[in-house]
Amino acid sequence: DVKVTQSSRYLVKRTGEKVFLECVQDMDHENMFWYRQDPGLGLRLIYFSYDVKMKEKGDIPEGYSVSREKKERFSLILESASTNQTSMYLCASSSGSYTEAFFGQGTRLTVV
Amino acid sequence: AQSVAQPEDQVNVAEGNPLTVKCTYSVSGNPYLFWYVQYPNRGLQFLLKYITGDNLVKGSYGFEAEFNKSQTSFHLKKPSALVSDSALYFCAVSSNNAGNMLTFGGGTRLMVKP
Repeated sequence: DVKVTQSSRYLVKRTGEKVFLECVQDMDHENMFWYRQDPGLGLRLIYFSYDVKMKEKGDIPEGYSVSREKKERFSLILESASTNQTSMYLCASSSGSYTEAFFGQGTRLTVV
Repeated sequence: AQSVAQPEDQVNVAEGNPLTVKCTYSVSGNPYLFWYVQYPNRGLQFLLKYITGDNLVKGSYGFEAEFNKSQTSFHLKKPSALVSDSALYFCAVSSNNAGNMLTFGGGTRLMVKP
């Protein structure tokens, strides 16, 4: 069974902390994505990566960075967490633009 | 830039009645269209996709969707709704001109009442 695994289901961090959200896929997919999901706003793309060490900004990259050192792992970094980054974060992977994406279970991050 | 619009925040339907969840899109190039479903406290699950060919595509759980190029729409349908279909539904688009970027709509909550 295909799998996208996010390291934490729930996370509570303090304002100003550096936060790492980890995502691993076991499908040898080229593409990996980070979205945040907020009520009424749907899924908004933060960053995506189409290859190792390659990344592109999505719609809302401000306050975030990403790292993809290995094909299977895509990390989302909040350089200095703020309360407006409290959200559900979803990681996904796919093999191409015409194939379906597979999603992790999500990480609900609360910044206090 | 590509975009997806889901004009209804919520759709209410009685069990056994047909349902439609609307989606329109904007892309440059050929669109690749997807529907996903999210049950409470779960990640997104793939339902169906349109890449090319027949405009009517069939997917999981009895759902189908119709691609209409002139109206740039990809509405999700089911002939007979079940209470268990109640969930959050997302439409998404990518294209051959947007690299591998996948853009989602705002989501539509489907409520099926007994």
